[in-house]
Amino acid sequence: GQNIDQPTEMTATEGAIVQINCTYQTSGFNGLFWYQQHAGEAPTFLSYNVLDGLEEKGRFSSFLSRSKGYSYLLLKELQMKDSASYLCAVTDSNYQLIWGAGTKLIIKP
Amino acid sequence: DVKVTQSSRYLVKRTGEKVFLECVQDMDHENMFWYRQDPGLGLRLIYFSYDVKMKEKGDIPEGYSVSREKKERFSLILESASTNQTSMYLCASKGGSGMTDTQYFGPGTRLTVL
Repeated sequence: GQNIDQPTEMTATEGAIVQINCTYQTSGFNGLFWYQQHAGEAPTFLSYNVLDGLEEKGRFSSFLSRSKGYSYLLLKELQMKDSASYLCAVTDSNYQLIWGAGTKLIIKP
Repeated sequence: DVKVTQSSRYLVKRTGEKVFLECVQDMDHENMFWYRQDPGLGLRLIYFSYDVKMKEKGDIPEGYSVSREKKERFSLILESASTNQTSMYLCASKGGSGMTDTQYFGPGTRLTVL
């Protein structure tokens, strides 16, 4: 079966760095997305990785290792507004998106 | 800016009622999707459509149907609502068929079936 695993919840301090991991087992791989979802709102696109390595976009970076079936989202200089759920999703061999359950990130002052 | 709108943010219905959830996008996207989102579970695909009048079943189509008569509008229908269909329903749209095309989501409809 297809499976994406993320931690359910993480807590971090304002100004710090946090890494949210995602491991996947899917039938084929055609890219991995990270989305941010604030409570009660729609998911919004953060990043896309299809090749191994690190993609940096401002305070957010996303890493992919296809051989390990592993990705992480790195958030630097955390702000209170970063409190949200972070969803990992993988495009499988049929180009369908398989979603993880999301990681709720709580930022404390 | 891509805009995806959904007809209601909150909806309360009774068991057995027919429920219509509507989604409209303004970016001329070919692909539209309906998901449900439940606590502890990932987004689950109910149906998707890659063109007008075309529809494909997702992972959990039972108890649902869809309609796409116009490119910009994709409707989700619960023929006879049941309590286990209480959930957050999210609509998304995506242009083209490329792997990297991002899905843009509507604000969601929180449906409660009593």
